[in-house]
Amino acid sequence: EAGVTQFPSHSVIEKGQTVTLRCDPISGHDNLYWYRRVMGKEIKFLLHFVKESKQDESGMPNNRFLAERTGGTYSTLKVQPAELEDSGVYFCASSQDPLLSREKLFFGSGTQLSVL
Amino acid sequence: GENVEQHPSTLSVQEGDSAVIKCTYSDSASNYFPWYKQELGKRPQLIIDIRSNVGEKKDQRIAVTLNKTAKHFSLHITETQPEDSAVYFCAASRPGGYQKVTFGTGTKLQVIP
Repeated sequence: EAGVTQFPSHSVIEKGQTVTLRCDPISGHDNLYWYRRVMGKEIKFLLHFVKESKQDESGMPNNRFLAERTGGTYSTLKVQPAELEDSGVYFCASSQDPLLSREKLFFGSGTQLSVL
Repeated sequence: GENVEQHPSTLSVQEGDSAVIKCTYSDSASNYFPWYKQELGKRPQLIIDIRSNVGEKKDQRIAVTLNKTAKHFSLHITETQPEDSAVYFCAASRPGGYQKVTFGTGTKLQVIP
């Protein structure tokens, strides 16, 4: 079974540029999450999709961040324009069905974003 | 919202010794407490979890304990091995299905051979 895949693994951009991160969840997982970890801090929740719908986007920092999941398959997270404080590791995770107590998160390897 | 605090931030132990990582949570409604391990350069992976209807759970060399009254839970690793070296994250979530998982800040465990 293929795991959660993220692309790119690393991205180095200049302040003001745009970056798009992609996540392919495990096939059949309706629940897709984006998290971010800034060095030394917690893995912080950004948002949660159930299929193509945004279930919870309370963790999105501001309107420079836009997440989509058209068709309920892969998801993209776009940062435009990027700021220095956006640097960190962006994790995507998927799960089967929290409503049935299948909350186990399967993480991708993350995208290391560096904004210079 | 939920707030999870984790201590210590770093921990070094000699191979064979035990390691304990402690977490506290703020939301008394939280009922699911997973632990994730992230080895260097790899993705976080669930290693053990516990629900609020039990006080302790074991899986070989790892165990978790939960004190609902005090709102804290701990990860215990016995007979540590070099491959246990990693960053460990505790987390908490509320019941009701679509409740986000709130993570602690992580503990970097180093097992010295």
